[in-house]
This record gives sequence, structure tokens and C-alpha cells, in this order.
Amino acid sequence: RKEVEQDPGPFNVPEGATVAFNCTYSNSASQSFFWYRQDCRKEPKLLMSVYSSGNEDGRFTAQLNRASQYISLLIRDSKLSDSATYLCVVGDSGGYQKVTFGIGTKLQVIP
Amino acid sequence: DAGVTQSPTHLIKTRGQQVTLRCSPKSGHDTVSWYQQALGQGPQFIFQYYEEEERQRGNFPDRFSGHQFPNYSSELNVNALLLGDSALYLCASRNLEGATYNEQFFGPGTRLTVL
Repeated sequence: RKEVEQDPGPFNVPEGATVAFNCTYSNSASQSFFWYRQDCRKEPKLLMSVYSSGNEDGRFTAQLNRASQYISLLIRDSKLSDSATYLCVVGDSGGYQKVTFGIGTKLQVIP
Repeated sequence: DAGVTQSPTHLIKTRGQQVTLRCSPKSGHDTVSWYQQALGQGPQFIFQYYEEEERQRGNFPDRFSGHQFPNYSSELNVNALLLGDSALYLCASRNLEGATYNEQFFGPGTRLTVL
């Protein structure tokens, strides 16, 4: 089983739609969780950290379910500019915080 | 405030050669990690440097080695290049002692092609 699993997609959604991505992780001792966005042939950029209480940033909402070991990202009112690959990232409990990336989920928002 | 910088941007090598990639962390950051990202895959952790020592290592052979300098910049060296080493090599930095110690910032990457 992979340490971090994501559906690679692609998810093709119309503008204005709501789309949700899930990610599961295998290490129950994982301590930190993130969503990164990566545009084609560019570096990953931090979209948001994910907290146990859930967190929201504008149209983006992230949730963490420790019991089931999954993380979700919800994007409301999708924009064309949201088209990208969304990477789920999980950090371990070690002092140096090694992180593991998922394969990424590709989102294509269509007009 | 300069972000993470990497050089070179692109590199073409042949099998068996050696390559050195360079990274300068974001200002105020003391920890550098290197990742390999093959086409269609997520970044794979190679290793992490803090206080000029390798602190964590992913599942990569000894052909991959690195170094961190007193100014926190870092190098990634790959010996005896294989075709499968062709990838985007990403450097990420963070401040291990800071309040946002677990947030990494990535450089633009070096795209290595091995022929």
C-alpha cells in the first residue's frame, strides 16, 4: 500500500461547479497534512495546511479525518484558473518532519 | 525577499556522467530537502539537510549524494547517471526552528534529461 494515495483523475468539471478530492494515508502517526497546487511544468506551491478542526480559505475547504486516515479538499465555484494538479502531502512525526507526496489529482475546469 | 532558487534550469547529460545541482533556500530558512519528480508522478523525497548534515533520506541509492554549506545553500550530486534519472529535481526549504516549521517552499526545479 502506498503511503499517500490519491486518485490521479483527471477531473473535468464545468466552471462554477463544486469538486472534492480525497487522499488517504497509511501512517497513523502522521502529524502534518497539506494540499499543494502544481501547475504544468512548475514547482508545487502550498495551497493550505490541513488542521484537525478543518479549515477554509475562500473557496477552498480542507478536512482531516484521523480515524479514517483521509484528507479532503473541496473547491467551490470552480474557476478556469483552478485547473492544476493538487498534491496531497503528509508529514511524519519525526523531528525533521519528512513529508510524503501523493501522485496528485489533475483538475481541468472547462468553460 | 528572494524565494528558493535553483540552478541550472535545464541540463542534458549522457548515461554514466555525473551532475551537480544547486539550491539556495529562501531567506531565513535553514533546512533544505531535495525531491525527484518523474513525469506524471508526485515528488519523491531524496534527502534533507539541516546544520550541514543529512538528517533524513528517502529510498534512493548512494549515487545520490548531497551537501549543505554554512550559508544553508545545498548541492545535489548524482553519479553514474541512468536514463531513469531523467526528471525534475526540486529543492524545498523551510525554517525548522520557526513557528511554521512544517511549511516548505519550493524552487522552480532543475529539469535533467539523461540521454
